[in-house]
Amino acid sequence: AQKITQTQPGMFVQEKEAVTLDCTYDTSDQSYGLFWYKQPSSGEMIFLIYQGSYDEQNATEGRYSLNFQKARKSANLVISASQLGDSAMYFCAMRRNTGKLIFGQGTTLQVKP
Amino acid sequence: GAVVSQHPSWVICKSGTSVKIECRSLDFQATTMFWYRQFPKQSLMLMATSNEGSKATYEQGVEKDKFLINHASLTLSTLTVTSAHPEDSSFYICSAGTFDEQFFGPGTRLTVL
Repeated sequence: AQKITQTQPGMFVQEKEAVTLDCTYDTSDQSYGLFWYKQPSSGEMIFLIYQGSYDEQNATEGRYSLNFQKARKSANLVISASQLGDSAMYFCAMRRNTGKLIFGQGTTLQVKP
Repeated sequence: GAVVSQHPSWVICKSGTSVKIECRSLDFQATTMFWYRQFPKQSLMLMATSNEGSKATYEQGVEKDKFLINHASLTLSTLTVTSAHPEDSSFYICSAGTFDEQFFGPGTRLTVL
């Protein structure tokens, strides 16, 4: 079964600290992609970072990095130096070889001042 | 990144009426677009894949006669919720892009009274 699991419904982090949001996946596809999106209260889905299944290096985009451990089927998002504006819902998603995206349940992150 | 727009951003309608939601790719051509539905505090659920020039492909459990999708051009897909009922109230989001990049529209909040 193709599945994305985010086990943390809610997370708190102190401003300027780093935080890791967990994501594990299950797929039988040989080629797939992993995404992280941020969804603030406005509802828009903001693309953060992408990791292809054949990429050997972990993806990084500014303060975001993706800790990709293929053997463990995990793709955790690390946000460094958290900011108040990082408070939002975060979704991990997997792109199947059909092009469709499957989303995890989401993690609500709250950054405390 | 590429821009995807949706119109309207929110709509309130009476039970039994039909509502059309537009999804446009503004600066690129999209042969495939995806439509999602999101209930409050839940994840995005893929409803259907919209294919330019051909019939949409619906996910299991999604009524194709209720959620009519038309992808008449490379930049426009429409979702029509026919005979809307209060249980159809939700946040509808479209996406478009390439195999490795999916850009989301800002979403349409539908409330059926």
